[in-house]
Formats: sequence, C-alpha cells, structure tokens
Amino acid sequence: SQQGEEDPQALSIQEGENATMNCSYKTSINNLQWYRQNSGRGLVHLILIRSNEREKHSGRLRVTLDTSKKSSSLLITASRAADTASYFCANYQGAQKLVFGQGTRLTINP
Amino acid sequence: GAGVSQSPRYKVAKRGQDVALRCDPISGHVSLFWYQQALGQGPEFLTYFQNEAQLDKSGLPSDRFFAERPEGSVSTLKIQRTQQEDSAVYLCASSSTRQVLAKNIQYFGAGTRLSVL
Repeated sequence: SQQGEEDPQALSIQEGENATMNCSYKTSINNLQWYRQNSGRGLVHLILIRSNEREKHSGRLRVTLDTSKKSSSLLITASRAADTASYFCANYQGAQKLVFGQGTRLTINP
Repeated sequence: GAGVSQSPRYKVAKRGQDVALRCDPISGHVSLFWYQQALGQGPEFLTYFQNEAQLDKSGLPSDRFFAERPEGSVSTLKIQRTQQEDSAVYLCASSSTRQVLAKNIQYFGAGTRLSVL
C-alpha cells in the first residue's frame, strides 16, 4: 500500500506533557504535510515541511523530516485538552494526489 | 463563504439508491479534490479537478462513482446504486492554484457522512 504508516495508532497523555507521533512512507517524501481532525470535522492543515528541510517549528509544533528514511515526526509540546484529535501526515504522490497516513488518535487527559 | 462547504452533512441511503453530494469550494480556488474516509482510517484520494476539467479520477472505486464540476466552481459527487461498502465520510478540499508543484495546501470541508443501510 502507498498509504503512510503512522505510529502510535493511539496515544493518551496528561495535559502539559509532550506528544510525539511518527509517520513513514514506502515512496519518496515530497513536501510532507500534517493535518489535524477533530471528531466529526474536516481536516485542518497544521504545517508543511519541504523536501529540502530537516526541521520546522510552528508555535508548539515541531516537525522533523528524514528523507533518507522516508519518515517524519510531529511533536506537540506542553499539550492542552484542546489538542485532543486525530493527526494525519500526508505526502504528495505526483503533483496532485495527497496520500494520507492512517492517523494517530491523541487524547489529552486533564 | 470563508471555507469549503459541503452538503448534506449526513445522508442515509437505502442500498441501491443514488446519492449526490455537493461541495462549494473556497471562492476563486482553481483546484478541487474529493476524498473518501472510512471509519478509523485516513482519507483516500478519489478525484481531482482543475477548474472544470477532471484531470485525475484514478481513485474512484468503481464506475458507480461519478464527479463533475461543470462551471469550475461547485462540484457534485454522485454515487449510483449505493452499496454498504460505500458508507464513509466523503471529504472535499480545494486549493488556490493549479497543482503543478506538489506543495499546495489543501483546505478541507467538514465532509458528508454517508450511511448505506
């Protein structure tokens, strides 16, 4: 399958802790993106990391990219209850088709 | 509107019925995408439009699925003779420019949850 593989599938942590989720592909990485999806809602774009970048920050988010391992990780620091959601990585196949991972379900416990 | 709008939000269909799902992209967005999301899974690509042209329909699972965007704005995804395996959330996304380079951010609607009984 060309779908991205994410781990863990589910993660439950205490508020204030950091959350790390990982994503890998069998195909080459091409401008990888991370999205968040709250229950019953659409996907919200979080961050895009270009193929020639190794690390990128946006607020409490930190994304790393290792093109040789075809993998990426998303770190959320100082987690909040509002961060509870599913997180998906997405990689472009060609110029048009986004291929998503299966997602990590993150639960932040107050 | 400010974002991508999809209707209806929920649709229940009897097996064998035809359904039509609507997507209003962000005004002026050239590119429009449809995805299918099964429960507990990531979205899977169905089809892509650049203006009114359907440039990629490789993800449509069968010839019962048909999408159109006749005036390059609103799009409709039609599923004929629905089957239980069609039950999923159907997501629409749009982006502002042509998908020439693989770098565009796609903006998603809230989706239509289709349940086929």
